Amino acid sequence: GDSVTQMEGPVTLSEEAFLTINCTYTATGYPSLFWYVQYPGEGLQLLLKATKADDKGSNKGFEATYRKETTSFHLEKGSVQVSDSAVYFCALSDRQGQAGTALIFGKGTTLSVSS
Amino acid sequence: DSGVTQTPKHLITATGQRVTLRCSPRSGDLSVYWYQQSLDQGLQFLIQYYNGEERAKGNILERFSAQQFPDLHSELNLSSLELGDSALYFCASSVEGTGWDGYTFGSGTRLTVV
Repeated sequence: GDSVTQMEGPVTLSEEAFLTINCTYTATGYPSLFWYVQYPGEGLQLLLKATKADDKGSNKGFEATYRKETTSFHLEKGSVQVSDSAVYFCALSDRQGQAGTALIFGKGTTLSVSS
Repeated sequence: DSGVTQTPKHLITATGQRVTLRCSPRSGDLSVYWYQQSLDQGLQFLIQYYNGEERAKGNILERFSAQQFPDLHSELNLSSLELGDSALYFCASSVEGTGWDGYTFGSGTRLTVV
């Protein structure tokens, strides 16, 4: 079935460091890919998305490119801030998968940024 | 405030009991999704409703059931509760049934089974 695999955390960085969180997926069809962020005590918020191969999603300095050949959607940011500390989830929506169009999430990667 | 309202925020109950979690979707959204978040399993998709009808099912146990009412609010019923059912339960909504533009999540109901 469809699945998402994320690098295990926690990821601990100093402010202004470069961030990469790896995400790979397995899907039956041609999924859309998403990154969501969860701040402490809150629900998940959509960070960015890409709906087809080679699309780049971007928001708030974060970027991710849909790579069909490597089935990956890695999240990057050039210079992290303390306020970026949160849990990041990679997700896919595969219309042809068992879950229909429901999002399938990875297990999440905790990012901790110190000043 | 995301616009998706979940009640209650916290719930503590005993094993074997039954509880109902409630979700009101964002205004204008027709689709509701339920997820269970636990430390060991991560975020697991349970079930989706679109405009009152079940659209997709995930890893939902037979002890769990859900429905979406004509006013589009949804309820998740959990019965014969076990310790392992302790988790955060999230509701999310989207305008249509595809979720291509992403979901709007509520802040969750934390269920503790003792």
